[in-house]
Amino acid sequence: SQQGEEDPQALSIQEGENATMNCSYKTSINNLQWYRQNSGRGLVHLILIRSNEREKHSGRLRVTLDTSKKSSSLLITASRAADTASYFCATGPGAQKLVFGQGTRLTINP
Amino acid sequence: DAGVTQSPTHLIKTRGQHVTLRCSPISGHKSVSWYQQVLGQGPQFIFQYYEKEERGRGNFPDRFSARQFPNYSSELNVNALLLGDSALYLCASSLGQGAYYEQYFGPGTRLTVT
Repeated sequence: SQQGEEDPQALSIQEGENATMNCSYKTSINNLQWYRQNSGRGLVHLILIRSNEREKHSGRLRVTLDTSKKSSSLLITASRAADTASYFCATGPGAQKLVFGQGTRLTINP
Repeated sequence: DAGVTQSPTHLIKTRGQHVTLRCSPISGHKSVSWYQQVLGQGPQFIFQYYEKEERGRGNFPDRFSARQFPNYSSELNVNALLLGDSALYLCASSLGQGAYYEQYFGPGTRLTVT
């Protein structure tokens, strides 16, 4: 079953603009993670935010977490062509497994 | 340090055959997880091994099995292959058990079943 669901499914913006992706989940979590995947290759870990954190930054990335709404958002500022990829949120209903959503396909147009 | 490695990179098999996929984790990582990713979808959890014991299993048939060796490398075995098993198989390693830690993914093995 799907734990995390990203919204929108696809997003196309101009280079230099900001991109925002959202993730909703169903059960209580220990943490929520965001990953990037380029063209069907391996996933790259971006940020892990714990359930007692509300916001986290890493370079041009900003992640927020609202446990009361069971939602998270990933903001990429000043987008670049190299940011074109699929972005996934992932949560663990328990320690045993990480459950991924279907992802947001982000396209940065030059 | 080397990242997570997987072999082979690509594989073509016929329905009914058996396949073995291999994964070497990052040095020092004791947990290995396996995921199946069908085109256009997110990765689906198959197995997690931590300290050589199975700690989690996803909703996959018994045709799927795995194991972790004393050096923490891992194998994923799939018997009686079906066309629907065609996918990218991803291995990920982490310092600790599963979802509490960031996962480091390998490049994947692309399996095509004809």
